[in-house]
Amino acid sequence: EDQVTQSPEALRLQEGESSSLNCSYTVSGLRGLFWYRQDPGKGPEFLFTLYSAGEEKEKERLKATLTKKESFLHITAPKPEDSATYLCAARGGGGATNKLIFGTGTLLAVQP
Amino acid sequence: DGGITQSPKYLFRKEGQNVTLSCEQNLNHDAMYWYRQDPGQGLRLIYYSQIVNDFQKGDIAEGYSVSREKKESFPLTVTSAQKNPTAFYLCASSQGTAGGYEQYFGPGTRLTVT
Repeated sequence: EDQVTQSPEALRLQEGESSSLNCSYTVSGLRGLFWYRQDPGKGPEFLFTLYSAGEEKEKERLKATLTKKESFLHITAPKPEDSATYLCAARGGGGATNKLIFGTGTLLAVQP
Repeated sequence: DGGITQSPKYLFRKEGQNVTLSCEQNLNHDAMYWYRQDPGQGLRLIYYSQIVNDFQKGDIAEGYSVSREKKESFPLTVTSAQKNPTAFYLCASSQGTAGGYEQYFGPGTRLTVT
């Protein structure tokens, strides 16, 4: 069964303290690994798509990387405004649908 | 501005009543989706539609119904058969096979049934 697991469930950082969030996946024939940011009470906001192992994408203080088994979201020198839940999702190769399988998210809190 | 709108933001209903959640997009996307989000759980797919007048059940379709009569609109009805309807409901859309597969989400509707 296709599955996406995120760790840790929650992470508390001091402002400026860099860290990484993990997303491990077991999906047959991965055809896309997606990262989203979700603020409380709002819909997820799309951040990145990664398609192949070794690929990297960057946006401001965030960098997403992909291996054959997992993806990392690296946060460099975070600020309090980076506090949110970060979701990852995978699109498998089975069938002809665009269905995504979501992890349960990592709740990030950045303290000033 | 292109985007996805959901209405209302908050919805309250009595048990036993059907309720319809609205989702409209002006991104010209072919595919649309409905998810349910509960605390401590990932987004769970209720229904999806890859083209007008066609839709498929997701992982938790029981107690829900949808229609896709127009490309821009994908309303979700939560019926009285849904045993635990209180949740945060998210609508999304994607270009599908015509382009990228990333899904873009609306602001969500929080449904409370008492």
